[in-house]
Amino acid sequence: GDSVTQMEGPVTLSEEAFLTINCTYTATGYPSLFWYVQYPGEGLQLLLKATKADDKGSNKGFEATYRKETTSFHLEKGSVQVSDSAVYFCALSVNSGGSNYKLTFGKGTLLTVNP
Amino acid sequence: KAGVTQTPRYLIKTRGQQVTLSCSPISGHRSVSWYQQTPGQGLQFLFEYFSETQRNKGNFPGRFSGRQFSNSRSEMNVSTLELGDSALYLCASSPRGGQHEAFFGQGTRLTVV
Repeated sequence: GDSVTQMEGPVTLSEEAFLTINCTYTATGYPSLFWYVQYPGEGLQLLLKATKADDKGSNKGFEATYRKETTSFHLEKGSVQVSDSAVYFCALSVNSGGSNYKLTFGKGTLLTVNP
Repeated sequence: KAGVTQTPRYLIKTRGQQVTLSCSPISGHRSVSWYQQTPGQGLQFLFEYFSETQRNKGNFPGRFSGRQFSNSRSEMNVSTLELGDSALYLCASSPRGGQHEAFFGQGTRLTVV
């Protein structure tokens, strides 16, 4: 079945540090890939997405590139802020004939950024 | 445009009772999915509805059920509650489902005592 493996945290960084959160996937078809972010007490917000190989998703300084050859979708940010502290989820969806839509999530990575 | 609205935000129920959670999707979205989030199991897919029909279902017991109305609003029901059902239940809406991104509500925090 489909699965997502992401680095487990917690990850603690100082403000302005470089961030990488690794994500690899296994999928039966050709997936779309997503990063979602969850702030304390909130639901999930879509951070970025990519729908085909070599696509780069980007938003709010975060980037991730769809690498089909390595089945990866690593999240990066050049300079993190305290406000980036949250849980980050990598996810995929595979359209199996249009009737089996669901998101498969990784376990989540807790990021804490200290001033 | 209003986002996904879930009600209530918090619920406390007793073991053995049943509970109904509600989700109003973004206007124009026809696909509604439900997820259970727990510290141990993470985010797990419950089911997805599109145009009042259940299109996909996760690996949950029959105590978990749902439905979708003609206005795309959805409800999920859990009968005979167990302590292990304590979780954050998240609803997500999407224009058509498939590989389009999903937009999540803030969730309903269910505590079973």
